[in-house]
Amino acid sequence: DAGVIQSPRHEVTEMGQEVTLRCKPISGHDYLFWYRQTMMRGLELLIYFNNNVPIDDSGMPEDRFSAKMPNASFSTLKIQPSEPRDSAVYFCASSITTGFGNTIYFGEGSWLTVV
Amino acid sequence: SQQGEEDPQALSIQEGENATMNCSYKTSINNLQWYRQNSGRGLVHLILIRSNEREKHSGRLRVTLDTSKKSSSLLITASRAADTASYFCASYRAGSYQLTFGKGTKLSVIP
Repeated sequence: DAGVIQSPRHEVTEMGQEVTLRCKPISGHDYLFWYRQTMMRGLELLIYFNNNVPIDDSGMPEDRFSAKMPNASFSTLKIQPSEPRDSAVYFCASSITTGFGNTIYFGEGSWLTVV
Repeated sequence: SQQGEEDPQALSIQEGENATMNCSYKTSINNLQWYRQNSGRGLVHLILIRSNEREKHSGRLRVTLDTSKKSSSLLITASRAADTASYFCASYRAGSYQLTFGKGTKLSVIP
C-alpha cells in the first residue's frame, strides 16, 4: 500500500514568494497532521484535521501560514509570503482512529529552503 | 512545550552493544510511542506501550514505562550499523488527539 505522499520533496524559493506543499494521506485514514521540523525547535505540530475539518491550528506560527483539506485524499499547506525563517522540513502525517491511541504514519517530508 | 524529553541527546556505541534511551514526559498519557527517523527521511513508528503496561518487546526492542515517574526507556539489543538514526518518544496527553514529540536521541552505531 502507498504511504503518505508529499510533494515537492525539495523546494528552494526566494523570500516573499508563495510556497504550496501538498499531501496525500493514506486511504481510509481520518486524521491528517502537518508538522514542521527544525534543529532548534524539533518537531512542532502546526495543524491537524479530522474528517477533513481543521481541529486545532494553534501551532500555525502566523497568518502567513494556511492549510486546507478539501477532501479526504488531499491537503495543502501554504506559506505566503515566505521568509528565510520558514526554512525547515515539513511533514505530513496521517492516522486512523483506534481504541488504543493513534499510530501516525509520516510522509518523507518537504525540504523547504527560503533564500 | 515538549511533552517528551529524550536523554541522552546523542549516543555513540559499537556494533553489538546495547543502546538505551530514556524519555520523560510531563502530563498524564494514554500511551507512549517510539519513532525512528533515518537521516533525510520521515519518522517511522516502532512501538506503542499503553499506560497500563509496564514493558513491551518487539524483536530487538524493549520498551518500559513507569507512569509514577513519568518516564520510559527504549532498549535496542545487539545493535547494528543500520540502527543508526534518531529516536523520538511521543505521547498523547490524556483526552487529546495531539501527539507531541520530544527532540530525540541521535544514535550512532559504529561498525
